[in-house]
Amino acid sequence: ETGVTQSPTHLIKTRGQQVTLRCSSQSGHNTVSWYQQALGQGPQFIFQYYREEENGRGNFPPRFSGLQFPNYSSELNVNALELDDSALYLCASSSSGTDEKLFFGSGTQLSVL
Amino acid sequence: AQSVTQPDIHITVSEGASLELRCNYSYGATPYLFWYVQSPGQGLQLLLKYFSGDTLVQGIKGFEAEFKRSQSSFNLRKPSVHWSDAAEYFCAVARSRGSNYKLTFGKGTLLTVNP
Repeated sequence: ETGVTQSPTHLIKTRGQQVTLRCSSQSGHNTVSWYQQALGQGPQFIFQYYREEENGRGNFPPRFSGLQFPNYSSELNVNALELDDSALYLCASSSSGTDEKLFFGSGTQLSVL
Repeated sequence: AQSVTQPDIHITVSEGASLELRCNYSYGATPYLFWYVQSPGQGLQLLLKYFSGDTLVQGIKGFEAEFKRSQSSFNLRKPSVHWSDAAEYFCAVARSRGSNYKLTFGKGTLLTVNP
């Protein structure tokens, strides 16, 4: 049990729709990162938020956006969904107070039809 | 840009046998290296990490990994595999250390354990 919770666990959307995924970080963590894991692939870094500011972004288009709130929870928003967006989306939180360890949630499985 | 290669997509071993999962990385500077395990329907759990110092690092669940700079490798080993070790294993590299590091993962190696 990592203390990082993601919701929903599963989601089905239609191409062109928009989706919001949520992540509740472990208590005291001020950094959250989002990863996309397509079937049969390793996770790919989407972006990271540190104290509510974006702090690095991977090779993902602008229709992938995020937010981090004052309580350090986070959202990942994806607009104009495409079939290739179908994947497991993982959230990870961390804090400079830990031993530099990322704590991953169990993910949200998104299916785009 | 850094990259990680895990040459073996799927490995099958018998329970009690030894295990070695291969990982090669490409990165110009000092790499920060990690091994994660993912069970079905679960997130990623950190097994061990290498930042500096002793090139043989010990992790949880009896795993260890050895950093070999000359071979750009960071192979994961376990002397005796248990059925509960069946899972997918990911090697990852980061450009910097600290709570803000961003990971580049390999494609993973699926481990099957036969009774």
